[in-house]
Amino acid sequence: DTGVSQNPRHKITKRGQNVTFRCDPISEHNRLYWYRQTLGQGPEFLTYFQNEAQLEKSRLLSDRFSAERPKGSFSTLEIQRTEQGDSAMYLCASSLAAYEQYFGPGTRLTVT
Amino acid sequence: QQQVKQSPQSLIVQKGGIPIINCAYENTAFDYFPWYQQFPGKGPALLIAIRPDVSEKKEGRFTISFNKSAKQFSLHIMDSQPGDSATYFCAANEYYKLTFGKGTLLTVNP
Repeated sequence: DTGVSQNPRHKITKRGQNVTFRCDPISEHNRLYWYRQTLGQGPEFLTYFQNEAQLEKSRLLSDRFSAERPKGSFSTLEIQRTEQGDSAMYLCASSLAAYEQYFGPGTRLTVT
Repeated sequence: QQQVKQSPQSLIVQKGGIPIINCAYENTAFDYFPWYQQFPGKGPALLIAIRPDVSEKKEGRFTISFNKSAKQFSLHIMDSQPGDSATYFCAANEYYKLTFGKGTLLTVNP
């Protein structure tokens, strides 16, 4: 399978714990994006990488959120001190050019 | 402020019908308009996309109509099938960032 992969697919955590998600983009894609999707809504942009450089962060990405893309390959999204409002599907997408973004299956986070 | 407005919220058609989903936007900096299909528990899958210098694009049973002056675009699904039952999202791109509509839940009855 040469699509975008995300791990884990599901994560249940207690409020206050830290969680980390991983995204592996399509191999030749140099652009990587993180989005968050809550129930009944469309995905909302969180952050964008071109190669290893993080070029944009949404206002939605509070100080508790951090994303990295070492060596311009896979990316991680960490949420510190999780809150119940962080419960959502976290989606990763990648693209080769500026337009066609291909999404992974997502990581569903439940904060109890 | 909702930058991309999508309607209807839900839609039920019979097999073979032609569901139409509409989207409207305000930001004239948007330069690319994709549609995504999402099944429960899955990530959005890119279906078809259009640039604002084109008024219509067709790929298989999916057609996008684009009206630049009205800042509206729509998705038509020809000969719809029960397997097309899913949530459809329109989106608009500015630079690298996609802004999505709220989605349309399509049900195609056999």
